[in-house]
Amino acid sequence: GAVVSQHPSWVICKSGTSVKIECRSLDFQATTMFWYRQFPKQSLMLMATSNEGSKATYEQGVEKDKFLINHASLTLSTLTVTSAHPEDSSFYICSARGGTPPGETQYFGPGTRLLVL
Amino acid sequence: QKEVEQDPGPLSVPEGAIVSLNCTYSNSAFQYFMWYRQYSRKGPELLMYTYSSGNKEDGRFTAQVDKSSKYISLFIRDSQPSDSATYLCAMSAGGYQKVTFGIGTKLQVIP
Repeated sequence: GAVVSQHPSWVICKSGTSVKIECRSLDFQATTMFWYRQFPKQSLMLMATSNEGSKATYEQGVEKDKFLINHASLTLSTLTVTSAHPEDSSFYICSARGGTPPGETQYFGPGTRLLVL
Repeated sequence: QKEVEQDPGPLSVPEGAIVSLNCTYSNSAFQYFMWYRQYSRKGPELLMYTYSSGNKEDGRFTAQVDKSSKYISLFIRDSQPSDSATYLCAMSAGGYQKVTFGIGTKLQVIP
């Protein structure tokens, strides 16, 4: 149980294009989903927290117009990187809170590697 | 001072050794403690989950929490090359507050 999927697993795009990443909780309902960014040899950096049916809460320094988050259902959240630039190249990981044990823990997706040329 | 401190390593051990991974923290409100394993280019995988102080064992893995010292540990017995990964500690105060992660310790188990 508590499986989170993420799609695509990797994407290469041209500078200026938008990229959408999907995050799904497959066997549990996730009222809260999180989006992280991870640079090589660094820890997870929380970008935003999204609750189903409401606007996402962004961490300080994260541009909400750049990283659009939609949490339309209890099993799906999407992150859209708008007008991507090379500096947006990174490893993006989503996680969902819920499942078992009680919902304090977070379960992570496999990550999406984004390369912007 | 960071809320959670974790030595990034790398830590190299021979196969079969007992591995000790540790984190210290400063927020006395933390009550939920987790250990995640992250293989290269993959998302973190939940290994152990502990509430409050005490020990928890699962196979070759043992998690310990000492709230009085604000110190948590993960022990891996009979380490295997497949244990080579980055191990992140994580903790929260509960009440669905934000989970705070350590930077992760890179472990290499040498055959």
